[in-house]
Amino acid sequence: AQTVTQSQPEMSVQEAETVTLSCTYDTSESDYYLFWYKQPPSRQMILVIRQEAYKQQNATENRFSVNFQKAAKSFSLKISDSQLGDAAMYFCAYRSELGSGGSNYKLTFGKGTLLTVNP
Amino acid sequence: KAGVTQTPRYLIKTRGQQVTLSCSPISGHRSVSWYQQTPGQGLQFLFEYFSETQRNKGNFPGRFSGRQFSNSRSEMNVSTLELGDSALYLCASSLGSGDREGEQYFGPGTRLTVT
Repeated sequence: AQTVTQSQPEMSVQEAETVTLSCTYDTSESDYYLFWYKQPPSRQMILVIRQEAYKQQNATENRFSVNFQKAAKSFSLKISDSQLGDAAMYFCAYRSELGSGGSNYKLTFGKGTLLTVNP
Repeated sequence: KAGVTQTPRYLIKTRGQQVTLSCSPISGHRSVSWYQQTPGQGLQFLFEYFSETQRNKGNFPGRFSGRQFSNSRSEMNVSTLELGDSALYLCASSLGSGDREGEQYFGPGTRLTVT
C-alpha cells in the first residue's frame, strides 16, 4: 500500500516571501501521479498542481512549483511571492496510474500542512 | 458549468441512527469518490462509483455503503452511527473514463456531527 508523509504540521511565511512544503511517499509502483491540494478554511479543496511520475521535468503553475525527486520519493511544493490568499491547509496526495478500466481513482493523502501567511 | 454539490452541508445525528449524504457531480462526470476527513485520521478514501458500479473500496466497516444512480448522482449511507463517525465527508467527481489524468473535483463537503 502507498503512504504519503507530510512532516510539517504547520508552516508560516511572510507575505511576498517564498515557502517550501515537504512531502515524501512510499510506493512500489513506477507510474503514478502526485498532487498538491489546497483546502482554505471552510472552503472547497482545489487542485494546486500535479506531477506525472514519468515526467522528469518539474511541474509549475504560476507561483507554484514542485521539486520532484523520484528516486528519493520526495515531492515538495514551493510557493513564491506568497499572498494572504495562499493561507490554507495543503495536502500532498498520491494516485496510481489509471488502469485500462480507470479503476484507480483512489487518492492517498498526507496529513496536511497548515500554512499561515503573515502580512 | 456547475461544480460538485453536496447536501446537506451540515447534519447532527444521534448515536445509533443512520444517515444518508448526497453528492451531485459535475455535468458529464461519471465517477464519484467519497472521502472521510477527520482531525485524527486525515483524509481517507471510502469508495468510488462509476456507471452505478462500485469500482474501488477503502478500508471501512460495512456500516458505510454507497450507491450511484443513472444520472451519476451518488449517495453514501452510514448505519448505526458511532461518535467516531463525526467527520467532514467529501465527494469528488471526475470523468471516470477516457481521461488519462483523472483529475478530481471536490465538493464543499457535509459536516456530520454524531452526539
